[in-house]
Parts: sequence; C-alpha cells; structure tokens
Amino acid sequence: DIQMTQSPSTLSASVGDRVTITCRGSQSISSWLAWYQQKPGKAPKLLIYKASSLESGVPSRFSGSGSGTEFTLTISSLQPDDFATYYCQQYNSYPVTFGQGTKLEIK
Amino acid sequence: EVQLVESGGGLVQPGGSLRLSCSASGFIFSSYAFHWVRQAPGKGLEYVSAISPNGDNTYYADSVKGRFTISRDNSKNTLDLQMSSLRAEDTAVYHCVGESTRAFDSWGQGTLVTVSS
Repeated sequence: DIQMTQSPSTLSASVGDRVTITCRGSQSISSWLAWYQQKPGKAPKLLIYKASSLESGVPSRFSGSGSGTEFTLTISSLQPDDFATYYCQQYNSYPVTFGQGTKLEIK
Repeated sequence: EVQLVESGGGLVQPGGSLRLSCSASGFIFSSYAFHWVRQAPGKGLEYVSAISPNGDNTYYADSVKGRFTISRDNSKNTLDLQMSSLRAEDTAVYHCVGESTRAFDSWGQGTLVTVSS
C-alpha cells in the first residue's frame, strides 16, 4: 500500500496568512493526488485533483503543486471559512489511501 | 445537482450484519465508479471498497475483505454495501463516493454504523 504522510498535523494561522500543507507519498504516484477539505459533521469536499487542477467552484486562493512523491496545498490568504481539516489522497493505485489529515486552526 | 444519499446505518451487535444503500441522482450514474469511504469517530478517512461503472470489477480493503460486498444497480441508480461479521472497529460514518475524471468529486453525507453490544 502507498502511505501518504501529511505535515503538519495541526496548523495554527490567522486570517490573511499564507499557509502550506505538505503531503508525501511512500512511492511515486505521478500526479494522481487530490486534496479535500472537511468541516465537522460534513462530508469531505474536493478542492484539487490531479495535483494542481482546481475543482469548479473552489476559490482561486487554493492551489496545489507537486508530482512524484511530494505535493503541497497552498492557501494564499486564509479566510474564516477555510478553518477545517484537509486531507490528501492518492488515487494512482489501489488501495486508494489518504493522508492522516491536517487540522487548520485559528491562531 | 448531484446528490448521493446513504441509508441503512444503525446500531448492530458484534458479529451482526447490516446493508447500506446509496441513492444517486443528478448525473449519469452508470458512468461513474463508486466507492465507500468510512470515518471512525474523531479519526481520518479510510478507504473501504470500490466498484467499476458496469459492476464487473470490485475492490476491497484488507480490513473488510471477505466480510463486505459492494454491488450496484444501474437501472435504479443505487449502490449497496452488504456488511457481515461486523466488529467494533467497523464503527464509523460510511460515505458513498462517486469518482469522475476529477477524483472523488461527489460525496454523500454519510450514514453512521455503530457496532456494539
């Protein structure tokens, strides 16, 4: 199985900050990497697919980059609605695997 | 509007069985692969099972292999997950998820399965 490791596990930031979350795979997944946002009691929401493609309707302050084994999700200017938990996911091969999550908290 | 609605969750004793269903609307159901992803209380996302658009191919995580069976009815736009020999560690919210070329782009709100005596 491909292990996906996110860092940090928790991130404290303020509105307006630029934040970056990293996701590393235990082996190459090309660009088959997605990012999801999840708020308490809600289903995950797709933000980024194929490492850097922005899902329709997602604000442009979200961006993704990377390929192979190292990927990043960047939020250019945090908004109050962005405080949530973020997961990366590899869908290069079965089993599909998720990172452990990064909780983005208000500082 | 794409909509996925799960049902069938509830409280079940260890060793028991439960059948989850997912009803889909707002898109061409038969064009999508579907998955079940679960989330134990306070924990992260765990992949459970997958089924191809025509139902010919299925996949199961090792943790559920031999106990869970995924199926679909493209004529009714429904996805099912038959769960048997349930364990405490199967307690989770189970999400039905549709996959397009844009990864897992459609998620249901989930149905809670609690395995406890």
